[in-house]
Amino acid sequence: DGGITQSPKYLFRKEGQNVTLSCEQNLNHDAMYWYRQDPGQGLRLIYYSQIVNDFQKGDIAEGYSVSREKKESFPLTVTSAQKNPTAFYLCASSMGQQETQYFGPGTRLLVL
Amino acid sequence: AQRVTQPEKLLSVFKGAPVELKCNYSYSGSPELFWYVQYSRQRLQLLLRHISRESIKGFTADLNKGETSFHLKKPFAQEEDSAMYYCALKGSSYKLIFGSGTRLLVRP
Repeated sequence: DGGITQSPKYLFRKEGQNVTLSCEQNLNHDAMYWYRQDPGQGLRLIYYSQIVNDFQKGDIAEGYSVSREKKESFPLTVTSAQKNPTAFYLCASSMGQQETQYFGPGTRLLVL
Repeated sequence: AQRVTQPEKLLSVFKGAPVELKCNYSYSGSPELFWYVQYSRQRLQLLLRHISRESIKGFTADLNKGETSFHLKKPFAQEEDSAMYYCALKGSSYKLIFGSGTRLLVRP
């Protein structure tokens, strides 16, 4: 799990602004994931990617976008269409979809 | 529908007492179940998975298909066990579905 990094640790967003959260892994994992964690609701899947240049919507993809141009990187953009973006965002990766997921330290997004 | 339910938001026990964190699931096929743990100021990490049938840090969990449960147990709780615990289900699409979590507080 030490091979997954997320930045920044804290991020502030203004109304109408798009912000991008970084997720990098050096574990040579094919699959990567983005989750949103809200108090009392556990983790919910936003987007996931099984392989480079491919990604699928999770359960709460509206207002978010991703890209997977490199195996090591899976950035998440929170767009202005996401009306309730304040949350803790967790990135994870796994060797394959059937393998154990390892999590990054998370980014806390706050709206000004 | 695939769902994981953790009915307790908070479980408080004294050091040395037995612990049972409840997890029930809803899934029509053969599920794969996990327990993840998040200690204070640390990242979420895998504690155990049912197919491994192992004991990690004294914790065990048995899959009961009849009761659709995967409760996490430890006979003697330690203060360092205090953390947030999440039960998760991996279904047919290989996505992880998490419960809402239970905070375990072990008092001295």
